[in-house]
Amino acid sequence: GAVVSQHPSRVICKSGTSVKIECRSLDFQATTMFWYRQFPKQSLMLMATSNEGSKATYEQGVEKDKFLINHASLTLSTLTVTSAHPEDSSFYICSGTTGDHEKLFFGSGTQLSVL
Amino acid sequence: GQNIDQPTEMTATEGAIVQINCTYQTSGFNGLFWYQQHAGEAPTFLSYNVLDGLEEKGRFSSFLSRSKGYSYLLLKELQMKDSASYLCAVMDTGRRALTFGSGTRLQVQP
Repeated sequence: GAVVSQHPSRVICKSGTSVKIECRSLDFQATTMFWYRQFPKQSLMLMATSNEGSKATYEQGVEKDKFLINHASLTLSTLTVTSAHPEDSSFYICSGTTGDHEKLFFGSGTQLSVL
Repeated sequence: GQNIDQPTEMTATEGAIVQINCTYQTSGFNGLFWYQQHAGEAPTFLSYNVLDGLEEKGRFSSFLSRSKGYSYLLLKELQMKDSASYLCAVMDTGRRALTFGSGTRLQVQP
């Protein structure tokens, strides 16, 4: 099956630093990439939707200047958490799709811990 | 908007059958998904229903009633490895993003 490679799997950083998370679709072209966030014992919450070559659409309450999303190619999307704070500590997961309903593939997730 | 409800926790015995229910209210419906998620890992796709009825895949079956806004995931012949969270998610008609329920943590006991 299709694979979305997400890196890093785990990152620990100091408060105020920026962290970049990458998601690559290895064997398909992801026309759309979704970014989710999951706090402990909670479900996945959609943060933003990005289409290749265009600006991301952010969900209500998600700061676009804090969570920078770039989807410059059909195989790569990045999420940068700028000036991270402890409350940004969470599990971040990307998912890519070709547009076909069933073909939504998740990355393995990134556990971000901000000290 | 979307509202999805599922039980928080369930416990079942190895070898038994368990049914996890999900109810939803949505302004636009383009299919319902079930995912399995182990702690610290990404969700794994289990099933997709867009029409009413039962979809069976081995030990897992999923049912949908669009008129009732209701779905269930049925797990048969439970195994210890089935202990995980099960997420119900609805896709809307516009942007194709998924809205997830809070998840049901299933504990399978010997």
